[in-house]
Amino acid sequence: GAVVSQHPSWVICKSGTSVKIECRSLDFQATTMFWYRQFPKQSLMLMATSNEGSKATYEQGVEKDKFLINHASLTLSTLTVTSAHPEDSSFYICSASSAGLGFYEQYFGPGTRLTVT
Amino acid sequence: GNSVTQMEGPVTLSEEAFLTINCTYTATGYPSLFWYVQYPGEGLQLLLKATKADDKGSNKGFEATYRKETTSFHLEKGSVQVSDSAVYFCALSDKAAGNKLTFGGGTRVLVKP
Repeated sequence: GAVVSQHPSWVICKSGTSVKIECRSLDFQATTMFWYRQFPKQSLMLMATSNEGSKATYEQGVEKDKFLINHASLTLSTLTVTSAHPEDSSFYICSASSAGLGFYEQYFGPGTRLTVT
Repeated sequence: GNSVTQMEGPVTLSEEAFLTINCTYTATGYPSLFWYVQYPGEGLQLLLKATKADDKGSNKGFEATYRKETTSFHLEKGSVQVSDSAVYFCALSDKAAGNKLTFGGGTRVLVKP
């Protein structure tokens, strides 16, 4: 139980284009979803927190207009990287939590590797 | 603010050796503590957790005890295998911070046959 999927697992896009990453909770309703970014050999950096039906809360230094987060349902959140540039290349990981599963615990997706050329 | 400090790697061990990864934390409230493992090219998997002082989390031969007096949550395994090669992250979750996870820097472990 408590499975989170991400799609795509990897994506290559050209500079200036936008790319959307999906995060789904497969067997539970996610009250809250989190988006992280991970650079090679580094820890995870929280980008934003989103609650279903509400606007995402972004961490300091994260550009809201560049990283658009939508949490339209209790099982789906999307991260859209707009006008991507090579410096946006990274490993993006989402996680989800649910009050019914112990609110303090997050379940992680397998990650999406984005390469911007 | 909250913070997690864990020993830097890489840690290189021989198979069947004893593994310890130190983790200490700073938190304003009463956090829950976690160890996550990340295999190459994958997301994070929860390895074990502890939600209150003196709790011991255990899974797959790994153990960690929540020590409030020393603000520590050290990870141990008595006999590692090659398949334990991965990056290990210590983390805390604090209700006062909206249950956001604060991660340590990660420790890369390499187990050689």
